[in-house]
Parts: sequence; structure tokens; C-alpha cells
Amino acid sequence: GEDVEQSLFLSVREGDSSVINCTYTDSSSTYLYWYKQEPGAGLQLLTYIFSNMDMKQDQRLTVLLNKKDKHLSLRIADTQTGDSAIYFCAERSGNTPLVFGKGTRLSVIA
Amino acid sequence: SAVISQKPSRDICQRGTSLTIQCQVDSQVTMMFWYRQQPGQSLTLIATANQGSEATYESGFVIDKFPISRPNLTFSTLTVSNMSPEDSSIYLCSVFTSGMYTGELFFGEGSRLTVL
Repeated sequence: GEDVEQSLFLSVREGDSSVINCTYTDSSSTYLYWYKQEPGAGLQLLTYIFSNMDMKQDQRLTVLLNKKDKHLSLRIADTQTGDSAIYFCAERSGNTPLVFGKGTRLSVIA
Repeated sequence: SAVISQKPSRDICQRGTSLTIQCQVDSQVTMMFWYRQQPGQSLTLIATANQGSEATYESGFVIDKFPISRPNLTFSTLTVSNMSPEDSSIYLCSVFTSGMYTGELFFGEGSRLTVL
């Protein structure tokens, strides 16, 4: 089946930028998503990008998509302690359910 | 966006019992999805619930273990039957609000089950 890979951990200093990376195998992916999960909480949709886009920016968040390399990244500018959470990358193609990565745990050091 | 409410938010259950989780959405949606998140793991789709028809289960999940009801366009239930400690997980309900399989997929806060 299709697969989504993420590094498991990332640690950054408060005020720096965070870049969380994701690779996927499905060449027919249509939508790619980033979700945030804080401890004890459900999943919060941060942003998503359609596969015909290269970039999407929303306030402190920038999503970059390299469709040729099947690589997605999420950049968080001016990272704050409140950004500490697990970030999940997910993709889907056509009328199929989302496939999630294992999540990247972001730790922000004050 | 959608407001998705799940009950219970958490529960501790005894081995061999069953628990029903409810999911209520604040708008009518065609499809509702049930996911499982085992401790420290990613999300795995259990089944897709359509109103007026049988749920569609993913590989590894069966109706006898995870019966689903979808009586109307805003509500669904997932039952975890004959529970064992391996069923200890967060169970999440989710919906697309823009129509079937388009755009944004929203999640409820999840129901955290611990089976002793």
C-alpha cells in the first residue's frame, strides 16, 4: 500500500524556524495535509495543499510541495513553546481515505 | 469548519466488555470516518460510515468487532466489542465538510479507551 514517512523527532529553540519534512510514495496524490496533535487532544487541521500547487502560506506556516520528489515540508516561522506537539503529514488520492505518517514530535526549547 | 463532538472523551473498561462511542457533527455530511490511534502510533482507518448503507471496513477490521451505526447525516456510533488490552487506543471520528473526499478532513477530540 501507499506509505508516508516522517522523521520522528525535531527539537528547535524558541524563535527559530522549524521545518518538518515528509515523503510519500503515491504518485497520484491529490491532497496533502498537515495536522497538529497536542497531548491528550484530537487532531487539528493546520493546512492542506492541492497537488497542483508548489507552495501555500498561512501566517507563520509555509507548506512546500515537490511533487517530482514526492516531498512535502511544513515550515513554522518564529516557533513558540505552544507549537510543541506532534505533527502528522497525510495524503490522499482521488476518492480514497487519508494515509497518515507516524508523526513528528516537535519540542521547542525556551 | 465542522464541530465534531465525541462521547465519551475517555473511559476505562474491563476486558470482555463492549463500549459504544458516539460522534455528533454540527452539519449534515455524506461520509463519516472512524480512525484508531494506538499509543504512540499514527492513525489507522477502521471504516467509512455512509448513511443508509453498511459501513465499509478496512483490511484488518471486521464488523463483528467494530459494529458501526449511521442512522442519519449528523450522527454515528462505533462499538468496540469484547474488548482486550490491545484495544486500548484513541478512537477518532472524522468528516469531510466540503463534500465527499474533497478538501478538509476534520477530526473530533477523540475517545481515549483504556482496557484493563
